Amino acid sequence: GENVEQHPSTLSVQEGDSAVIKCTYSDSASNYFPWYKQELGKRPQLIIDIRSNVGEKKDQRIAVTLNKTAKHFSLHITETQPEDSAVYFCAASAPGNTGKLIFGQGTTLQVKP
Amino acid sequence: DAGITQSPRYKITETGRQVTLMCHQTWSHSYMFWYRQDLGHGLRLIYYSAAADITDKGEVPDGYVVSRSKTENFPLTLESATRSQTSVYFCASSVQGGNYEQYFGPGTRLTVT
Repeated sequence: GENVEQHPSTLSVQEGDSAVIKCTYSDSASNYFPWYKQELGKRPQLIIDIRSNVGEKKDQRIAVTLNKTAKHFSLHITETQPEDSAVYFCAASAPGNTGKLIFGQGTTLQVKP
Repeated sequence: DAGITQSPRYKITETGRQVTLMCHQTWSHSYMFWYRQDLGHGLRLIYYSAAADITDKGEVPDGYVVSRSKTENFPLTLESATRSQTSVYFCASSVQGGNYEQYFGPGTRLTVT
C-alpha cells in the first residue's frame, strides 16, 4: 500500500540556523504534497503544499522542493526561530480522487534560543 | 478553524463500553476524515467520507463505525472500547477530494481504562 517515510524523527537546531526535513513516498501516482505543523496540544495546521507540476515553492522562511523522479520531497526552514519548535508532518495524496492523505511519522523540531 | 468542532474534548471510558465521538463542520465541505494520533505513528486514517451517506475505510478501521447522514456531521463510534484505542482522535474536512487542504478539528483525547 501507499507509504510515506519521514526523516529525521527529531531535529535540534540553534536559532537562526536552517532546518531540513525529508520525506519519500511510494506511489508514483501521488500528486499533492502538503506539510502540516502541530504545536504541542494543538491541531495540525497546513503551512505549505506543493503539487506535482511544480518543483519548488516558497513562502517567506519556508520552502518545499519536490523530486518526482526520486519520489521525495523536502521542507526547508531558514532563519529558524523558537516559535518554529513543533512537530512537522509531511503527507502525500493517495491515488485516485479519494481526498485521502498518507502521513509521515512526524519530525519533532526543537529550536534552541 | 472555528468551523470544525469536536466533542467531547476529553473522555475517559471503560473497556467494553460504547463511546461516540462527534465532529461538526460549518463549511459544507464534502469530505470528512477521522484520524487517530499515537506516538511514533503519526496520523493514521480510520474512516473517511466523500459526501453524506458515502463512507469508506482507511488504514485502521477495525473496532470503529462511522455514519454520515448529514453533510456537516461525521460521528465516530467505538462499539466496544479497548485499551489499544486510547489515543487522540482528530476529525478533518476538505472542500472536495484531490489536492485540497484538510482542516483539522481540535481533537478528542480518549482514555480507555
